[in-house]
Amino acid sequence: GQNIDQPTEMTATEGAIVQINCTYQTSGFNGLFWYQQHAGEAPTFLSYNVLDGLEEKGRFSSFLSRSKGYSYLLLKELQMKDSASYLCAVVDSNYQLIWGAGTKLIIKP
Amino acid sequence: IAGITQAPTSQILAAGRRMTLRCTQDMRHNAMYWYRQDLGLGLRLIHYSNTAGTTGKGEVPDGYSVSRANTDDFPLTLASAVPSQTSVYFCASSDSEAFNTGELFFGEGSRLTVL
Repeated sequence: GQNIDQPTEMTATEGAIVQINCTYQTSGFNGLFWYQQHAGEAPTFLSYNVLDGLEEKGRFSSFLSRSKGYSYLLLKELQMKDSASYLCAVVDSNYQLIWGAGTKLIIKP
Repeated sequence: IAGITQAPTSQILAAGRRMTLRCTQDMRHNAMYWYRQDLGLGLRLIHYSNTAGTTGKGEVPDGYSVSRANTDDFPLTLASAVPSQTSVYFCASSDSEAFNTGELFFGEGSRLTVL
């Protein structure tokens, strides 16, 4: 079966750096998405990786290793507003989008 | 403001009743999707539409139906609601030419409780 694994919950301190990992086992690969979802709100797009390597977008960076079936989202200079769930999703060979259950990130002052 | 509008925001429904969740987008996106989100699970696709006039089944289509009469509207109907359909429902759209390779734009969600 197809599977996306993310930690259920993480805690970090305001101003620090946190890395949220995502490992996947899917039938093929056509890209990986990260979305942010604040409690009670809709998911919003953060990044899309299809090639190996690191893509930086402001305080957020996303890394992909297709050979390892692995991605991470790196959040720098954490702010209280970064408290949210972070969803990893992979596009498989049939262009189906497989979603992880999400990682709830708690930021403490 | 451009985007996706869902209605109702929340609803409590008796089992056996029929319910339609409405979704309208004004971004002229071709692809639209209905997902349900349950605690501890990833988003699960119910139905999708690549373009007006066509629809397809997702991962969990049973008990749900959709229609896509035009580009903007994509309603989701529960013909006879059951308690297991208690969930938060998200409508989404995308303008990507290749299915599921573009950013998804989500509505604010409809929280449905079936008693």
